[in-house]
Amino acid sequence: DVKVTQSSRYLVKRTGEKVFLECVQDMDHENMFWYRQDPGLGLRLIYFSYDVKMKEKGDIPEGYSVSREKKERFSLILESASTNQTSMYLCASRPSGSTRRSQHFGDGTRLSIL
Amino acid sequence: AQSVSQHNHHVILSEAASLELGCNYSYGGTVNLFWYVQYPGQHLQLLLKYFSGDPLVKGIKGFEAEFIKSKFSFNLRKPSVQWSDTAEYFCAVNVKNYGGSQGNLIFGKGTKLSVKP
Repeated sequence: DVKVTQSSRYLVKRTGEKVFLECVQDMDHENMFWYRQDPGLGLRLIYFSYDVKMKEKGDIPEGYSVSREKKERFSLILESASTNQTSMYLCASRPSGSTRRSQHFGDGTRLSIL
Repeated sequence: AQSVSQHNHHVILSEAASLELGCNYSYGGTVNLFWYVQYPGQHLQLLLKYFSGDPLVKGIKGFEAEFIKSKFSFNLRKPSVQWSDTAEYFCAVNVKNYGGSQGNLIFGKGTKLSVKP
């Protein structure tokens, strides 16, 4: 089974802090994704990556950046955390080759910005 | 822009009732369709998916979905729900030209299902 591991289930940070959310997958997938999940809004794509050192903006990239130095790890960075970034953050991975392949999700990180 | 609509925000059913959750998408080309489920406190899991062929697809735990191309719909069904089906359900569409050549998922806003024992 594919395992997507997010480093923290719960995280509390303060406004203005730089926040790192880490995600690791163990199936050698080329594609990795960061979403935020908010009640009534579903999942919204923040950033994605098709390969090492490659990144593309999703629908809501403002206030975020990402890093992919190794194939298995995809980090989401909140440059200066704000209260409107309080949310559930989901990481996902998927192999390349076909749009038919489904994404595999981590358990999520519930981030609170005070 | 492409979008996915899930008509019901919250559905409440009694055990053994039949379930149908609506999903419509706005894209005229070839799509790959997915339903994901998120049980309380758990990660999103794939319930079923459709690419081509028989428009009625069967997934895990007795769920099925029907793709109706003329209606741009991919509704999820289950003949008899159980308390353990209480979860949030997300419809998603993979559009090839969205987010680069490999496409990305566009999710609906989700439908919460509460099943009363």
